[in-house]
Amino acid sequence: GQSLEQPSEVTAVEGAIVQINCTYQTSGFYGLSWYQQHDGGAPTFLSYNALDGLEETGRFSSFLSRSDSYGYLLLQELQMKDSASYFCAVRVLNSGGYQKVTFGIGTKLQVIP
Amino acid sequence: SAVISQKPSRDICQRGTSLTIQCQVDSQVTMMFWYRQQPGQSLTLIATANQGSEATYESGFVIDKFPISRPNLTFSTLTVSNMSPEDSSIYLCSVAQGPNTGELFFGEGSRLTVL
Repeated sequence: GQSLEQPSEVTAVEGAIVQINCTYQTSGFYGLSWYQQHDGGAPTFLSYNALDGLEETGRFSSFLSRSDSYGYLLLQELQMKDSASYFCAVRVLNSGGYQKVTFGIGTKLQVIP
Repeated sequence: SAVISQKPSRDICQRGTSLTIQCQVDSQVTMMFWYRQQPGQSLTLIATANQGSEATYESGFVIDKFPISRPNLTFSTLTVSNMSPEDSSIYLCSVAQGPNTGELFFGEGSRLTVL
């Protein structure tokens, strides 16, 4: 099976930088994704890393180290609207050869003034 | 990006009844998935809806309880059968547009309350 670990809650100040870490244990690993979900809303895709390194999309960056089974999401210039839950998720291929995505528990980010 | 329409958006159901949730996508997609999410919790994969064949269920989920149909590349249904209060949850349809993409698109979810 798959297991993912990420902090359950993080609080950060508006304008600051916050890093949300994710470690995973799985077989058949293909990549690590990050999703944002506001209360009452559907998850929305933020980023995907299939290879080691840093991917940058605007204020958000995501990093992956396959050898360490570790990744993180970096949010810069935090805004109040960034208050949400952030999920890391692993994309895996199982023995049956199909793709599936398994989610972590989610990190609830609270941005304070 | 794919636009996903799910219905019903919410429903209140009686114990022992069944409810079918529909998921319509505005384009043909390779992969369709059904997730369940309790408020404030993570997303749990129920099954992968395979076009033209039986769905692939995750551990803890069975076809008799959650029958799934996928008659074509743009539509799927999930039925929650013989419901109990433990089935109260948000059910989410999700799609991936290609086999090699890590990006999933989600519907707005169907919030079911079982009395």
